[in-house]
Amino acid sequence: DVKVTQSSRYLVKRTGEKVFLECVQDMDHENMFWYRQDPGLGLRLIYFSYDVKMKEKGDIPEGYSVSREKKERFSLILESASTNQTSMYLCASSVHQGQETQYFGPGTRLLVL
Amino acid sequence: GQQLNQSPQSMFIQEGEDVSMNCTSSSIFNTWLWYKQEPGEGPVLLIALYKAGELTSNGRLTAQFGITRKDSFLNISASIPSDVGIYFCAGRAGGTSYGKLTFGQGTILTVHP
Repeated sequence: DVKVTQSSRYLVKRTGEKVFLECVQDMDHENMFWYRQDPGLGLRLIYFSYDVKMKEKGDIPEGYSVSREKKERFSLILESASTNQTSMYLCASSVHQGQETQYFGPGTRLLVL
Repeated sequence: GQQLNQSPQSMFIQEGEDVSMNCTSSSIFNTWLWYKQEPGEGPVLLIALYKAGELTSNGRLTAQFGITRKDSFLNISASIPSDVGIYFCAGRAGGTSYGKLTFGQGTILTVHP
């Protein structure tokens, strides 16, 4: 079974703090994705990566950055957390083109005070 | 980015009832996926559709890829309490790459015993 793990299930941070969310997948998938989930808005793509050190902006990249130094690990960084970044963050992975099925981690619920 | 319109936003039903939900897009999609998210977890794939007109079942769940390629439907027959969760449609439009998906806003399903 595909396993996608996220470093924390719950996080509480203060405004202005730098926040790191880590995601690891064990299926050698090329593609990895970061989404945020807010009520009534579904899943919105923040960034994705299709290879090591490669990254592409999604629909809402402002205020975020990412890092993919190893194939299995994709990190989401909030350089200076703000209250409007309070949300559920979901990581997903998939194999290369031709297989669109994305496998999700359990999510990290982030509260920024 | 592209958007999917998913309806209804929420449903409150009695155990044993059938459920229908749908997604529509203003543009053509090549792939439709249906996910379920249980409380505190990430979305899990239920059904994948790759061909216009395709009708696919997974137990009590049936999904269809619309002939126009701009919509998809999910039906759940004889609902049970464990069907509770948020159901998301997702699609991949032609011309997109790296497995990027667009998600609907989600349908929150509540089943009363």
